[in-house]
Amino acid sequence: DSGVTQTPKHLITATGQRVTLRCSPRSGDLSVYWYQQSLDQGLQFLIQYYNGEERAKGNILERFSAQQFPDLHSELNLSSLELGDSALYFCASSPGGQPSYGYTFGSGTRLTVV
Amino acid sequence: AQSVTQLDSQVPVFEEAPVELRCNYSSSVSVYLFWYVQYPNQGLQLLLKYLSGSTLVKGINGFEAEFNKSQTSFHLRKPSVHISDTAEYFCAVYYSGAGSYQLTFGKGTKLSVIP
Repeated sequence: DSGVTQTPKHLITATGQRVTLRCSPRSGDLSVYWYQQSLDQGLQFLIQYYNGEERAKGNILERFSAQQFPDLHSELNLSSLELGDSALYFCASSPGGQPSYGYTFGSGTRLTVV
Repeated sequence: AQSVTQLDSQVPVFEEAPVELRCNYSSSVSVYLFWYVQYPNQGLQLLLKYLSGSTLVKGINGFEAEFNKSQTSFHLRKPSVHISDTAEYFCAVYYSGAGSYQLTFGKGTKLSVIP
């Protein structure tokens, strides 16, 4: 157990729907990072939150949004889902605002859009 | 743009043979380097990291990596692999001071250990 908790582990939904992925960072970590992993694109950085504030944005689609709550857990919202959104979504956390010591990853949420 | 290149997408190797997985990064003043391993249907786990100091870094499961600044490389090695090393390995870099706040990952190398 890495200490980073992601729920749900698996999600199957239809095109056009909306889903919410949840992440609880390791105790004491203030930063949460979201990544999308697909076979053709590899690990793509989506967004980072640090202590409740958005800190960096990567290749995140406008249909996707995220937030970090006062208790530091984070949610990634994916809407108007398309078949191409099927992927593994990882959350990672780090103690500070910069990953100088690396990340701790969760076990991921596998999203299948049918 | 800062990038990380893993030169081999797949590496097959016989059990008990040595292996080297290659990683090159964009030249930068200050970098922090990492190797992660991903076993099937699992998240990424930190193998080792280079922050500063000795250029030879030892990690878990008998892996080691060497930071070579002139070659901008951080290759991962293991002198004798085991079946349980079959996994995907990712090189990652934090480009400190470059306006970046996240790790940049390579596309991964799938290591297959053949009995």
